Amino acid sequence: GAGVSQSPSNKVTEKGKDVELRCDPISGHTALYWYRQRLGQGLEFLIYFQGNSAPDKSGLPSDRFSAERTGESVSTLTIQRTQQEDSAVYLCASSLWLAEPYNEQFFGPGTRLTVL
Amino acid sequence: AQSVTQLDSHVSVSEGTPVLLRCNYSSSYSPSLFWYVQHPNKGLQLLLKYTSAATLVKGINGFEAEFKKSETSFHLTKPSAHMSDAAEYFCVVGEDDKIIFGKGTRLHILP
Repeated sequence: GAGVSQSPSNKVTEKGKDVELRCDPISGHTALYWYRQRLGQGLEFLIYFQGNSAPDKSGLPSDRFSAERTGESVSTLTIQRTQQEDSAVYLCASSLWLAEPYNEQFFGPGTRLTVL
Repeated sequence: AQSVTQLDSHVSVSEGTPVLLRCNYSSSYSPSLFWYVQHPNKGLQLLLKYTSAATLVKGINGFEAEFKKSETSFHLTKPSAHMSDAAEYFCVVGEDDKIIFGKGTRLHILP
């Protein structure tokens, strides 16, 4: 079946604009994760969803960041009033949720965000 | 609070020689530990996962990792490096609804 998909693959925006990033997880995967990867750095965990709920939003860098998930499927990560420091690759992953959330995650190709 | 430290940002080995990528973690109790690999221009892929069933974990492509609680380490090893192993490797700890990735170790394979 299809893997995790993300759109757009690339996004260039001007400072101060809002952007919306989309993630389509693997069908049937109840857990969905968002990460940020700045150039030359590791992955920064932002948020995860169990079904449509996000138990802990403290990983989001600021209140300009928000995420939603509907129908236990598609998720959107919204960044308001973008800043140059938001430039990064945003990765989405999904996994089966069994007794715990730490199962193999399947990653999408990422969205490269550039804020000018 | 949990954290992950990958001790080397770059490791270079010759083809056919052993690979050792080091990872130390801190956690409150018994974490889940992973190694992921990211090949150039490809997505992240799980190499192996530890969840307390066995301290020596075997993964794909001949990699394995040993969980040593006394040393809080989860080093990744492979007996004989192959050119196709050149990639970035991430050590990951999962605990208490949080997932922490290390900063990564870039593995270079010399011909």
